[in-house]
Amino acid sequence: KNEVEQSPQNLTAQEGEFITINCSYSVGISALHWLQQHPGGGIVSLFMLSSGKKKHGRLIATINIQEKHSSLHITASHPRDSAVYICAVPLYQGAQKLVFGQGTRLTINP
Amino acid sequence: KAGVTQTPRYLIKTRGQQVTLSCSPISGHRSVSWYQQTPGQGLQFLFEYFSETQRNKGNFPGRFSGRQFSNSRSEMNVSTLELGDSALYLCASSRNRAGELFFGEGSRLTVL
Repeated sequence: KNEVEQSPQNLTAQEGEFITINCSYSVGISALHWLQQHPGGGIVSLFMLSSGKKKHGRLIATINIQEKHSSLHITASHPRDSAVYICAVPLYQGAQKLVFGQGTRLTINP
Repeated sequence: KAGVTQTPRYLIKTRGQQVTLSCSPISGHRSVSWYQQTPGQGLQFLFEYFSETQRNKGNFPGRFSGRQFSNSRSEMNVSTLELGDSALYLCASSRNRAGELFFGEGSRLTVL
């Protein structure tokens, strides 16, 4: 069993739909990262959170430390949201030694 | 504000050769970490540097090495290249060891 598991692995939706991507982890952490990777390779950090909920535009990330679970939501999805979304967990507090989920490939059709 | 710069962006090497990749972090960032991404293994942690010291190392053979300079720029080196070293190598910088990560565009290495 992977230390960080994401679901679903692939997701196709229509423009405007509400999207949820889940991340469950078994390692102890101080914070969890949500990353976005577009074709071509570049990775952008969307959120780093250690408790509760964060919102940035149409993106919302939540985390439940006790249940070791985080979700990334996209409201009013748009084709430009099509990308791979990756969650990552630090193995040690205050370190960048991350364990990554396998990624969720999201495709939003117009 | 300039982002994280990785050079070279693309390179092709043959088995047995060595390669050096460079990463210039965002100004003021003291932490640099390196990651390898392959289709089969996904993203894997390679190294973490902070204040010129290697703080953590991933589960990679000794052929993979790195260092960080006093200006926080970092290099990683892979010696005796193998076909399986073909990958996208990404570096990320952060202000401190627990901060938000800012990634470079990556160096795509092909080993023939």
